[in-house]
Amino acid sequence: GENVEQHPSTLSVQEGDSAVIKCTYSDSASNYFPWYKQELGKRPQLIIDIRSNVGEKKDQRIAVTLNKTAKHFSLHITETQPEDSAVYFCAAFKSNFGNEKLTFGTGTRLTIIP
Amino acid sequence: DTAVSQTPKYLVTQMGNDKSIKCEQNLGHDTMYWYKQDSKKFLKIMFSYNNKELIINETVPNRFSPKSPDKAHLNLHINSLELGDSAVYFCASSQEDGSGYGYTFGSGTRLTVV
Repeated sequence: GENVEQHPSTLSVQEGDSAVIKCTYSDSASNYFPWYKQELGKRPQLIIDIRSNVGEKKDQRIAVTLNKTAKHFSLHITETQPEDSAVYFCAAFKSNFGNEKLTFGTGTRLTIIP
Repeated sequence: DTAVSQTPKYLVTQMGNDKSIKCEQNLGHDTMYWYKQDSKKFLKIMFSYNNKELIINETVPNRFSPKSPDKAHLNLHINSLELGDSAVYFCASSQEDGSGYGYTFGSGTRLTVV
């Protein structure tokens, strides 16, 4: 089955600096890669996603890049703000009708230092 | 109007007891899931149901029994609760159209076994 590794497990950055979280996946058939943000005591919520036919996607201060050959994808947050502090999860999804699931990475706890 | 709702939000119970968690989605999705998030924040899939039919059972002890009376509801019953069952349990739903889009989580049930 799919295996998703995520690094680092914890990350502290000064407010205003950039943060990068990296993931690798094992199944080359995976074709959709969402990122979730989970604030303390709340549910994971989708913040950005990318399909395997796209190399990069940006939404304001967040961007995701995908290297399909290397099976790497990364989340980039620029101009970080205190409200960016949360646990971030990457995930990989493979279309397999009748047996679809998201496989999550192990999470990165991001702390923004004011 | 909450898209995926779970009850109860908190559940504290003694070892050996039996308890249930309920989940309902009003998104018209075909597939529902149960995820377990442990103290280290790992999000691990337990079960998925597609239109009331069990699709994924990720080697979960048979003390855990999901039940789907219809495609909008997926309940989780746990027998003979153990200390290691303490975790946050998230219900989720998706459309299962091969895209991966629309994966939506409930707000979680924090189960504490004492």
